Amino acid sequence: AQKVTQAQTEISVVEKEDVTLDCVYETRDTTYYLFWYKQPPSGELVFLIRRNSFDEQNEISGRYSWNFQKSTSSFNFTITASQVVDSAVYFCALSELFNDYKLSFGAGTTVTVRA
Amino acid sequence: GAVVSQHPSRVICKSGTSVKIECRSLDFQATTMFWYRQFPKQSLMLMATSNEGSKATYEQGVEKDKFLINHASLTLSTLTVTSAHPEDSSFYICSARLDRENEQYFGPGTRLTVT
Repeated sequence: AQKVTQAQTEISVVEKEDVTLDCVYETRDTTYYLFWYKQPPSGELVFLIRRNSFDEQNEISGRYSWNFQKSTSSFNFTITASQVVDSAVYFCALSELFNDYKLSFGAGTTVTVRA
Repeated sequence: GAVVSQHPSRVICKSGTSVKIECRSLDFQATTMFWYRQFPKQSLMLMATSNEGSKATYEQGVEKDKFLINHASLTLSTLTVTSAHPEDSSFYICSARLDRENEQYFGPGTRLTVT
């Protein structure tokens, strides 16, 4: 069963538009972590954020913000005022205590920001 | 800190030959390293968990005799693709986990092409 679902395969926006990436996860564990990674065309994964299951506070880092809602098992990611450099594949991932904190990745969302 | 390197970054080999990929944690010790495979336009799939001083743990469906993993020191894990075939062509990414944290640091990846 898919533990992490990223329903949006591709999103295309014009520069300066906001873009929200959805992530829905599934776990029976009470202790788990959620992550977002960026993978630009070069292929190297760039860590964006980690959130543990006991911390539901939303977070903002520059143009990036994350909305964690345990009630809906979602951990959505918003890029505000998108830029061409934001074009990449974005992965949401889950690691669970009972699974020795191995990472389960979603399918990824390809974001294309047009000038 | 927490830098992980991979070597080589790209390799082309002929069908039937073996290829070794190295994963090094440059500024920290990692008891546990992970190997992932990523096919074009797909997500990262965990292949195996590499444990220093003991045998690797393979995920379901991954042939342990084909993908040999050796974690001989706290800073080095190697993945050897034996008798490679064109269907083994993929992007191989390693990560190293900091022991005191539940955090994986990813290498830049190795693109393997088998002709």
